[in-house]
Amino acid sequence: EAQVTQNPRYLITVTGKKLTVTCSQNMNHEYMSWYRQDPGLGLRQIYYSMNVEVTDKGDVPEGYKVSRKEKRNFPLILESPSPNQTSLYFCATRNTGFYGYTFGSGTRLTVV
Amino acid sequence: SQQGEEDPQALSIQEGENATMNCSYKTSINNLQWYRQNSGRGLVHLILIRSNEREKHSGRLRVTLDTSKKSSSLLITASRAADTASYFCATDATAGGTSYGKLTFGQGTILTVHP
Repeated sequence: EAQVTQNPRYLITVTGKKLTVTCSQNMNHEYMSWYRQDPGLGLRQIYYSMNVEVTDKGDVPEGYKVSRKEKRNFPLILESPSPNQTSLYFCATRNTGFYGYTFGSGTRLTVV
Repeated sequence: SQQGEEDPQALSIQEGENATMNCSYKTSINNLQWYRQNSGRGLVHLILIRSNEREKHSGRLRVTLDTSKKSSSLLITASRAADTASYFCATDATAGGTSYGKLTFGQGTILTVHP
């Protein structure tokens, strides 16, 4: 079954404790990206990747890192999380060409 | 910044009625997409319309695109209670006709369909 898998689904952590949210896809898609969704602000892109070893900043990259060492994985790293990074995070992928994105189920992160 | 702006922000209708949502955007696009999100869950891709297309259908969905006005509309016909969700438009920006791979979302329309 074609899918985008995010882990964990829920995470509560403390300020400053490094964490990684994983994203894996089994569709051999070229594009992968990360979004955060906040009430009143909608979905905002954090980082995106057009292929292996190619990443670029989205609209709100501060405080986040990503890597794309292999096509199927695109982890989101918070080196020193802060409370303003409390949000609902989504990973999304798509193939080259005119296709829509496939989204993961989301990771609800709370930083206290 | 938000590229797409949806209108209305919330829409409440009865089952069987049609629902129309509008979206405006600001920059040149490669394509425009519509997504549905059930409360707190992942987004589901509904339909994509390319910048050189004016109208597209998929089941009960009809999407129009007017690039001169930088606007799009999503029509859901014969709505059902199961259509209750948030609907987002998203634009895929372009440079010389090639997608950046960067999708920018609007704020969304909350649709409630009453049985």
